[in-house]
Amino acid sequence: GAVVSQHPSRVICKSGTSVKIECRSLDFQATTMFWYRQFPKKSLMLMATSNEGSKATYEQGVEKDKFLINHASLTLSTLTVTSAHPEDSSFYICSAPTLAAQYFGPGTRLTVL
Amino acid sequence: AQSVTQLDSQVPVFEEAPVELRCNYSSSVSVYLFWYVQYPNQGLQLLLKYLSGSTLVESINGFEAEFNKSQTSFHLRKPSVHISDTAEYFCAVSDEGGYQKVTFGTGTKLQVIP
Repeated sequence: GAVVSQHPSRVICKSGTSVKIECRSLDFQATTMFWYRQFPKKSLMLMATSNEGSKATYEQGVEKDKFLINHASLTLSTLTVTSAHPEDSSFYICSAPTLAAQYFGPGTRLTVL
Repeated sequence: AQSVTQLDSQVPVFEEAPVELRCNYSSSVSVYLFWYVQYPNQGLQLLLKYLSGSTLVESINGFEAEFNKSQTSFHLRKPSVHISDTAEYFCAVSDEGGYQKVTFGTGTKLQVIP
């Protein structure tokens, strides 16, 4: 099946710093990628849709200035958590769709101290 | 708008026993249905999907799910579970073939007891 990678898998940062998470589709091109956030013992919450060559589309309630998304190429999307705070600590997951289904990255565990 | 309901947050079952994880959905248009599995400390993996055709779909590791339009359900079943099946299972729905937005249920934790 299709493979999606994320980097880093884990990151710990101090409050107030920014963190960048990369999402790559390894064996296919993705003009669209999705970013999700997963809270402990909760389902995945769609944060935004990343569009190659244009601005990301954010879901209601998601701060676009805090969660910056850049879809630089057909295989790479990045999520930057700016001025991170402890409440931003979470598991962030990206996905890239094919015609058949979405394929998910392994996730990035962000811990903000 | 579409939504997915997984009524069981946890399902404990003894090894080699059968299991059913329930999923009900609501959608105003044609639906495409998915089951994803998340093993501890790992990302989501596609387990199986229904896009069209036969209402019974199977995975390579013995799971199956049946699309029931009249009951708006897509329950996941396995006749005999293994310890390695312990994981969180998410039912999901899309009205665009999975290519676009997917709405997830809250997940069911399957715990296989030796």
